[in-house]
Amino acid sequence: AQSVTQLGSHVSVSEGALVLLRCNYSSSVPPYLFWYVQYPNQGLQLLLKYTSAATLVKGINGFEAEFKKSETSFHLTKPSAHMSDAAEYFCAVSVGSSYKLIFGSGTRLLVRP
Amino acid sequence: EADIYQTPRYLVIGTGKKITLECSQTMGHDKMYWYQQDPGMELHLIHYSYGVNSTEKGDLSSESTVSRIRTEHFPLTLESARPSHTSQYLCASSESSLAFFGQGTRLTVV
Repeated sequence: AQSVTQLGSHVSVSEGALVLLRCNYSSSVPPYLFWYVQYPNQGLQLLLKYTSAATLVKGINGFEAEFKKSETSFHLTKPSAHMSDAAEYFCAVSVGSSYKLIFGSGTRLLVRP
Repeated sequence: EADIYQTPRYLVIGTGKKITLECSQTMGHDKMYWYQQDPGMELHLIHYSYGVNSTEKGDLSSESTVSRIRTEHFPLTLESARPSHTSQYLCASSESSLAFFGQGTRLTVV
């Protein structure tokens, strides 16, 4: 069965600092992996996705994530945090041909001035 | 730009009322989903559909029901709302592995 674990329910960084949000997955088959961002009172917006092509995936707003099979990880990074990056971030794995998403518990990113 | 719409965005309703949350998409996607998200918590799948006249329960048990009479429309109904139904409900659709989400409906049952 597939599952996703996000380490750290809250991450706080200074503006301009590196952002690192951690995600580990469990899957019995090669997974499709996603990062979504959710701003207050909004739906989810796709940041990036991994679908078995390049292991380093670049997304929107300067974010990227690296798929590491040996570590079963898909951590999200951004070199320099901006105030507008403050939001809730969800890692998700897609299940089978139904493409149902299993989400992690989310990480709230706080950006300090 | 994703074209998936949910109405209403916010709803406050009394216990025992029947409600329907609307979800529509204009992308022609066969697969549609309803997720429930409690405040500060992860999303859980409560219903999904492979296409017209196809609906199945998700991983999280829900007293709500859904229907899929048209490809573009996937409404969710609660016959008798209770305070325990207070939550955010997110609708999504997908063609392949990529899902697009609506803005969500925040439901409060008083």
